[in-house]
Amino acid sequence: SQQGEEDPQALSIQEGENATMNCSYKTSINNLQWYRQNSGRGLVHLILIRSNEREKHSGRLRVTLDTSKKSSSLLITASRAADTASYFCATDANGNNRLAFGKGNQVVVIP
Amino acid sequence: DAGVIQSPRHEVTEMGQEVTLRCKPISGHDYLFWYRQTMMRGLELLIYFNNNVPIDDSGMPEDRFSAKMPNASFSTLKIQPSEPRDSAVYFCASMPSGYNEQFFGPGTRLTVL
Repeated sequence: SQQGEEDPQALSIQEGENATMNCSYKTSINNLQWYRQNSGRGLVHLILIRSNEREKHSGRLRVTLDTSKKSSSLLITASRAADTASYFCATDANGNNRLAFGKGNQVVVIP
Repeated sequence: DAGVIQSPRHEVTEMGQEVTLRCKPISGHDYLFWYRQTMMRGLELLIYFNNNVPIDDSGMPEDRFSAKMPNASFSTLKIQPSEPRDSAVYFCASMPSGYNEQFFGPGTRLTVL
């Protein structure tokens, strides 16, 4: 079945720096979503990009999608300590709301 | 809006006992999802409902797991009998029709001894 897979990175960056994380998947998708999870909390939806889109912005977030490479990246600009969290990509293969989540990237922003 | 509500937040039980996890979705959301999160397997979709009807339960690990949604404002996930390998954080999420964003609850951390 479809599976979003992030690069198994644990990023540790200084406040104000940019953080980039990647996600790859195996089959065609309808859309790809990014979620954030703070320690001990539920996931929070960040941004969705559809298969016919290449780039999308939301505040300090920038998402790209390359369907030819079956990959996506999430960029957080001007990071803040509050951005410390795990970030997950999730793919929806058929537009049926059945999401396949990756394992997550842990990001630590040092004040 | 209070968001998705899950109870209990923490559950510790002994192997063989029945466990019931509860979820109240956001009012007006037609979809409800149950997920399980572990370090080894990540976040897995167990089952989801649309308008109280189970649509896809292919992620339910085995017959020990069952889920119900008797009405639009309540769902349960039951494990009977529980086993240590069921230890995980269980999340409920809801979503309105026509949208793709899922709203997650805070989760229930289950420990089976």
